Amino acid sequence: DAGVTQSPTHLIKTRGQQVTLRCSPKSGHDTVSWYQQALGQGPQFIFQYYEEEERQRGNFPDRFSGHQFPNYSSELNVNALLLGDSALYLCASSPGSVYGYTFGSGTRLTVV
Amino acid sequence: KQEVTQIPAALSVPEGENLVLNCSFTDSAIYNLQWFRQDPGKGLTSLLLIQSSQREQTSGRLNASLDKSSGRSTLYIAASQPGDSATYLCAAPNTGGFKTIFGAGTRLFVKA
Repeated sequence: DAGVTQSPTHLIKTRGQQVTLRCSPKSGHDTVSWYQQALGQGPQFIFQYYEEEERQRGNFPDRFSGHQFPNYSSELNVNALLLGDSALYLCASSPGSVYGYTFGSGTRLTVV
Repeated sequence: KQEVTQIPAALSVPEGENLVLNCSFTDSAIYNLQWFRQDPGKGLTSLLLIQSSQREQTSGRLNASLDKSSGRSTLYIAASQPGDSATYLCAAPNTGGFKTIFGAGTRLFVKA
C-alpha cells in the first residue's frame, strides 16, 4: 500500500518564478494538508483541503494557493517566489483529523 | 491559540541509555497528540498517536504518555540505539480547527 507520494523530490527555481508541487494521498485518505519546514524548525501549516475545498489556512500570503482534485490528490502553487520560500514542503494526508496524519517525503525547493 | 514546546532542543546520549523527550502544549482541549521522527532532509514518520481518551501508547521500545490537565506529553525511548538518532517532533491540533501545530523538535544523537 503506497503511502503519501510527493513530486518532485527536489527543484531549483529563480526568484519571481512560479512553482507547482504535487501530492497523492495514502489510499483511503480524503484530507490533505500542506506544510512548510525551514531548516532547523518544525513544520508550519499552510492549508488543508477536504472535499476539494480549502478548509483552513495558516499565516501564509495569497501567493500560496492550492487545489484538491476529485481523486483527493492535491497541488500546492507558489507564485512570485522569494528567496525565503526555500524550504522543505511536506504533504500529509488523513482519513480524518482524529486519526492522525501520514506524511510524504517532501519536496525540497531552492529559490536562487 | 495552540503553542507546542519541546525540551530539550538537542540531546546526546551513549548507546543503551533510557531517555525521555518532553512536549508541552498550551491548549489542553486537544483530541489527540502525535509523535513523529524525522531523519535529516526527509519527511516525517509517525511513531505514536495518542487519543485524548488515552493516557499512553506503546510501540516496541517507544512509549508516549499524555497528560491533558498539565498540558504535557512525554516520549520514552528504552535502550537507545545509534539508529534512533534523528529529530523527534510532537504535534497537537489547534482547538476548533484543523490546523496541526508542531514543536521545533528534539535532535537526538545516540553515540555507539
